[in-house]
Amino acid sequence: RKEVEQDPGPFNVPEGATVAFNCTYSNSASQSFFWYRQDCRKEPKLLMSVYSSGNEDGRFTAQLNRASQYISLLIRDSKLSDSATYLCVVIVYGQNFVFGPGTRLSVLP
Amino acid sequence: GAGVSQSPSNKVTEKGKDVELRCDPISGHTALYWYRQSLGQGLEFLIYFQGNSAPDKSGLPSDRFSAERTGGSVSTLTIQRTQQEDSAVYLCASSASGPGEKLFFGSGTQLSVL
Repeated sequence: RKEVEQDPGPFNVPEGATVAFNCTYSNSASQSFFWYRQDCRKEPKLLMSVYSSGNEDGRFTAQLNRASQYISLLIRDSKLSDSATYLCVVIVYGQNFVFGPGTRLSVLP
Repeated sequence: GAGVSQSPSNKVTEKGKDVELRCDPISGHTALYWYRQSLGQGLEFLIYFQGNSAPDKSGLPSDRFSAERTGGSVSTLTIQRTQQEDSAVYLCASSASGPGEKLFFGSGTQLSVL
């Protein structure tokens, strides 16, 4: 089993739609969680950290379920500019960032 | 510099040749990472440098791959006797103090082995 797994995608949604991505991780000692965004042929960039109590940044909401070992990202009112690959990232304390394979999102006009 | 700088941005080489990829992290960042990404795939961890500690080389795929970081700043990733399966984008990232801190990526080196 891979350390971090994500919905395979691609997700094709119309503008204005709400879309959710899930990510599961295998190491129960994982302590830090992030969502990164990667545009086509570009480097990944941090979208948001994921906190235990859940957190929101504008149209984006991230949640963590430690018991079930999954993380989610919800995007409301999708924009064309949200089209990208979303990478789930997990860290076990003192170890390296482990990236999921990513979920591709295409927001259609 | 303002961001993580990688060079060259593109490298085309022949099978069997050696290549060197360079990464200049953000000034003051103690942690430096190398990843590679094949077309349509996720990021594969290669190596991690943290300050003066011994690097974590656990992700290097074979002994043809090596990396060094001189003076705690610039890093060079060397691939000896390149193979076609080495073709990928090699991404360097740095963070202020290591895991848990925001990662800043360079724009990568696209390596093509013919």
